[in-house]
Amino acid sequence: NAGVMQNPRHLVRRRGQEARLRCSPMKGHSHVYWYRQLPEEGLKFMVYLQKENIIDESGMPKERFSAEFPKEGPSILRIQQVVRGDSAAYFCASSPQRATYEQYFGPGTRLTVT
Amino acid sequence: AQTVTQSQPEMSVQEAETVTLSCTYDTSESDYYLFWYKQPPSRQMILVIRQEAYKQQNATENRFSVNFQKAAKSFSLKISDSQLGDAAMYFCAYSGNNAGNMLTFGGGTRLMVKP
Repeated sequence: NAGVMQNPRHLVRRRGQEARLRCSPMKGHSHVYWYRQLPEEGLKFMVYLQKENIIDESGMPKERFSAEFPKEGPSILRIQQVVRGDSAAYFCASSPQRATYEQYFGPGTRLTVT
Repeated sequence: AQTVTQSQPEMSVQEAETVTLSCTYDTSESDYYLFWYKQPPSRQMILVIRQEAYKQQNATENRFSVNFQKAAKSFSLKISDSQLGDAAMYFCAYSGNNAGNMLTFGGGTRLMVKP
């Protein structure tokens, strides 16, 4: 059973461009969480999605950031008009249900904004 | 809101010795889960151990064990017989039943293992 997959692993964008980060959950998992890790810090929750629904986006900035998890295909975290402060590692985790002890993490996408 | 605090930015231990990493948290919930994650240089988040708050018995996974003090809201990680491969960042995390199940992480402790 393949683990959580994220791509790309590394992404470089110039200020003002768009960044699209993809997350394919483990097979059979219908819940996805996105976290952001700034340099030398812990992970911070951004958004929690189920298929076709955003359940909780309380950790996501109101401007420029959006997320989706369509019926078919991976979950997408989209950052429009990136700024240098968006440089971070973005992690996706998936779980089979609304369980508090089964979140499996992907390897992360490191976004660098130049 | 829940908060998780790790007061030790860095710790070091001699190979084969024992080390304890500290974590405290703040919550008003009675039912929740606590976790320790390891993040090696590869940045992959690896679950080390988890504890359900309703269980009084401390969790153990091979060389890793926790000291869970619910009243004191303390959740420390003990690593016995430390190995070079244990060198990594360690994050304490909290998840509550009423919080959408997202994880709240501490700031991390960098563990160095000396040969």
